[in-house]
Amino acid sequence: KQEVTQIPAALSVPEGENLVLNCSFTDSAIYNLQWFRQDPGKGLTSLLLIQSSQREQTSGRLNASLDKSSGRSTLYIAASQPGDSATYLCAVGRTGFQKLVFGTGTRLLVSP
Amino acid sequence: GAGVSQSPSNKVTEKGKDVELRCDPISGHTALYWYRQSLGQGLEFLIYFQGNSAPDKSGLPSDRFSAERTGGSVSTLTIQRTQQEDSAVYLCASRKDSTDTQYFGPGTRLTVL
Repeated sequence: KQEVTQIPAALSVPEGENLVLNCSFTDSAIYNLQWFRQDPGKGLTSLLLIQSSQREQTSGRLNASLDKSSGRSTLYIAASQPGDSATYLCAVGRTGFQKLVFGTGTRLLVSP
Repeated sequence: GAGVSQSPSNKVTEKGKDVELRCDPISGHTALYWYRQSLGQGLEFLIYFQGNSAPDKSGLPSDRFSAERTGGSVSTLTIQRTQQEDSAVYLCASRKDSTDTQYFGPGTRLTVL
């Protein structure tokens, strides 16, 4: 059974810092991996999607990497801003209908 | 265009009552998913619809839970005889065929008293 863990559970940083969020999964037979952000009381917004054949994806200040062999992914946020404050979730998709298995989430607070 | 919409946004019900939650996926998206987000269990898969194929119900926690998708578009998740442990945020997502990104709705917060 696939299990997805995220470390740290919570992170508080001052504005402008670069930071890394970690995601690990137990079964390397994944189809893809997605990073989402969730704002309080809101749904999930997809940030980046990495296919199993890819090593990384970039969007603006965000960079996500994937190492299938070690069962790990990282989300790098450059020059953090207060607007980045949210909960970040990683999710792995299995081959086929791509049911997502979600991690436990990292709650990020960026102070001005 | 419009995103995934869900209604109601909040639902408070008494234990033992039935509830219906609605999801309107993005137009043209053939795949539709229901997930549940609760404090104790995190975010977990419930059910998946793909076109006219039989749904995958492997995530439904009990036979009190059912879902249907009419005309390949709108979906309704029904919970019968609600229990307090059913309290959670129920999220719907849709995906366009041959693509991978799932787009989520804002969710329905269900509180069972």
